[in-house]
Amino acid sequence: GENVEQHPSTLSVQEGDSAVIKCTYSDSASNYFPWYKQELGKRPQLIIDIRSNVGEKKDQRIAVTLNKTAKHFSLHITETQPEDSAVYFCAVGAQKLVFGQGTRLTINP
Amino acid sequence: EAQVTQNPRYLITVTGKKLTVTCSQNMNHEYMSWYRQDPGLGLRQIYYSMNVEVTDKGDVPEGYKVSRKEKRNFPLILESPSPNQTSLYFCASSSPASGRAYEQYFGPGTRLTVT
Repeated sequence: GENVEQHPSTLSVQEGDSAVIKCTYSDSASNYFPWYKQELGKRPQLIIDIRSNVGEKKDQRIAVTLNKTAKHFSLHITETQPEDSAVYFCAVGAQKLVFGQGTRLTINP
Repeated sequence: EAQVTQNPRYLITVTGKKLTVTCSQNMNHEYMSWYRQDPGLGLRQIYYSMNVEVTDKGDVPEGYKVSRKEKRNFPLILESPSPNQTSLYFCASSSPASGRAYEQYFGPGTRLTVT
């Protein structure tokens, strides 16, 4: 089955700096790659997703890049703000979804 | 308001006492799933359903049962709970007919403790 590895497990950045979280996956047939954000005590919420026919997608300060050859994809957050502090999960699949282990992102003022 | 609801939100029970966690969505979504969230392990899919009477195992189905008799409901059943099923459980739904085909809409979560 699909195996997803996410790094780093924790990330601390200064407000205004950029943050990058990376995930690798094992099944080359996978074609959908979402990212979810989970604030403390809340449910996960989709923040951005990408399909395998696209290499990069941006939504304001958030971007996702996909390298299908290397089987990895990354979340980029620019100009970080305190409200970006949360746990971020990558995932691979469609209705059968496999999540990464999560990255706790802390934005230091 | 479009939402996924779960009940109960918190539950403390004893080993072996059967329990059911209910999940309901009002968005007419075809797909529904159950996940458990444990520290350091992320979210792991227990079961998913692609429509009424269609269910399939996720990555960690052992010790759980599900049913999908109605489109809106997807209960999770623990026939004989054990302490290793202590976890935070999320129900989620999605629809291939929507503009965001596989976006999972999560419920608020159910924190289960088995002693």
